[in-house]
Amino acid sequence: GDSVTQMEGPVTLSEEAFLTINCTYTATGYPSLFWYVQYPGEGLQLLLKATKADDKGSNKGFEATYRKETTSFHLEKGSVQVSDSAVYFCALRRGTGRRALTFGSGTRLQVQP
Amino acid sequence: EPEVTQTPSHQVTQMGQEVILRCVPISNHLYFYWYRQILGQKVEFLVSFYNNEISEKSEIFDDQFSVERPDGSNFTLKIRSTKLEDSAMYFCASSERQDTLYEQYFGPGTRLTVT
Repeated sequence: GDSVTQMEGPVTLSEEAFLTINCTYTATGYPSLFWYVQYPGEGLQLLLKATKADDKGSNKGFEATYRKETTSFHLEKGSVQVSDSAVYFCALRRGTGRRALTFGSGTRLQVQP
Repeated sequence: EPEVTQTPSHQVTQMGQEVILRCVPISNHLYFYWYRQILGQKVEFLVSFYNNEISEKSEIFDDQFSVERPDGSNFTLKIRSTKLEDSAMYFCASSERQDTLYEQYFGPGTRLTVT
């Protein structure tokens, strides 16, 4: 079945450091890929998405590129801020058939001043 | 900005008791979902609901679970006889349509603790 694997956390960085959170997936067909973010006490918010191979999703300085050949969708940001501290979830969703989101286990990011 | 709300934020119940988790989806949305996350594990899909019917459910969603849209605004998840392993964070979500172009908006979650 479908699955998403992302790197274990927590990831602790200093402000202005470069961020990479790895995500790989297994799915039939051609899923859409997503990154969700959860700030303390809040729900999951869509951060960015990509719907086909080689698409790059971007938002708030975060980027991720849909790599079909490596089945990956790594999240990157060039310079993190304290306000980026949150839990980040990689997810996929099929275009046909089952439409529910399949999530990874989440990676907690802590950015120190 | 419209948002999905969930009540209560934390529910403690004894094993074998019934619980109802409540959600108010965004008003013009037609598709509704429940997900759960057991502590330290993945967020897992439970069920989706459209037009007063379950449109999809996972293997987790057995006969102990039911969903309902009792009025025009609420969407509920009922667990008939709770087990210890039902302890988790339960997230409600809604979307305008089912297509992947339409984002699923999530609520803040209800933490269910079964003792």
